Amino acid sequence: QVQLVESGGGVVLPGRSLRLSCAASGFIFRSYAMHWVRQGPGKGLEWVAVISYDGSNEFYADSVKGRFTISRDNSKNTLDLQMNSLRGDDTAIYYCARSENGYDHWYFDLRGRGTLVTVSS
Amino acid sequence: EIVLTQSPATLSVSPGEGATLSCRASQSISSSLAWYQQRPGQPPRLLMYGVSTRATAIPARFSGSGSGTEFTLTISSLQSEDFAVYFCQQYKSWPSFGQGTRLEFK
Repeated sequence: QVQLVESGGGVVLPGRSLRLSCAASGFIFRSYAMHWVRQGPGKGLEWVAVISYDGSNEFYADSVKGRFTISRDNSKNTLDLQMNSLRGDDTAIYYCARSENGYDHWYFDLRGRGTLVTVSS
Repeated sequence: EIVLTQSPATLSVSPGEGATLSCRASQSISSSLAWYQQRPGQPPRLLMYGVSTRATAIPARFSGSGSGTEFTLTISSLQSEDFAVYFCQQYKSWPSFGQGTRLEFK
């Protein structure tokens, strides 16, 4: 079954860290670029980060640059997002999502059900 | 940053009728536009990419058109499962999304 399953969400204090994971199955993980996309409560969608199929390139939204790190392990078919210095406006459902390689193909044809991150004191 | 503006924010339509949703880009994005459908409690689902190419298993009542800065998603003969929120997304530059159009029962 082709799917992405996120985990690692929870409630965290402002300024603390959290690590999200995404397990891929049913497709050739190493052939695709992978992204994190988030959706704040009652809000729209925001692209967060992308990592190339082989992990050689990473790009981030300005809102998370320097605080978040995306990584992948193609031997384990997993995608991670290390989130540091968390803020209240990072509160969101975080989805991992798949796209074809190449920035001109960065639409998301598969995504997981998401994991909720709540940053609150 | 490319800003996408969707209109209307909410569209009230009766089942069986058609609906037209708009998405305007702050600068030209050529044909690098996708549409997503999000039902309550579910993640967004890809409907359309490259403006007018339907994603896998998307029925033919969904169609997309436009180029440059003006785009349209048309749904003919609305079914009950079509009442949801629709987002457009550009991938000409760093991905960005519109704020969504809610399609509701009239």
